[in-house]
Amino acid sequence: NAGVTQTPKFRVLKTGQSMTLLCAQDMNHEYMYWYRQDPGMGLRLIHYSVGEGTTAKGEVPDGYNVSRLKKQNFLLGLESAAPSQTSVYFCAATHWWSGTEAFFGQGTRLTVV
Amino acid sequence: AQSVTQLDSHVSVSEGTPVLLRCNYSSSYSPSLFWYVQHPNKGLQLLLKYTSAATLVKGINGFEAEFKKSETSFHLTKPSAHMSDAAEYFCVVSDRYNQGGKLIFGQGTELSVKP
Repeated sequence: NAGVTQTPKFRVLKTGQSMTLLCAQDMNHEYMYWYRQDPGMGLRLIHYSVGEGTTAKGEVPDGYNVSRLKKQNFLLGLESAAPSQTSVYFCAATHWWSGTEAFFGQGTRLTVV
Repeated sequence: AQSVTQLDSHVSVSEGTPVLLRCNYSSSYSPSLFWYVQHPNKGLQLLLKYTSAATLVKGINGFEAEFKKSETSFHLTKPSAHMSDAAEYFCVVSDRYNQGGKLIFGQGTELSVKP
């Protein structure tokens, strides 16, 4: 049982390049999230999804897009990467009931130069 | 809107002494609350959760937290710190019925344990 898997684990981009981060879960959870983690700022919510075909903005959505075409996958896209998007990105999945813990991927370390 | 404030960005204790990591939350409804731990260059692991049952919640590795609605607090404690407890700790609030699915993190508290 893999839980939540993020691909890739590391990536270096040049400013202006685009990329997609993939989050895959095998727990059949309805809710999925993308966060970025920066020193001293905790995890900030970028976008989230409460079900297949639905997405919503979080605290810091600018510069990112997401898609949830399949229940098990949640994609995070950067159309034109900027150095300010250098961060560690975490994906999470959880059940609809608010008392369920969230399961996290191992993170993607992205550097934009 | 819901929010979480961790009152200390850094806490330092000696091994064998008590740990207190403070968390206050803001929520318009009865929230679920969680504490997660992140060791250096690792992912996030659930320590414990509160889901409107017992207000004193016990978690893994000897940690526990008490939900106090009147104080809107959910502080994390451990009677005796161990060197392996050195990590970053996050308080998280979930209020999905009113907030449409958001899971909100505090800024984190870095715990250092001195020998």
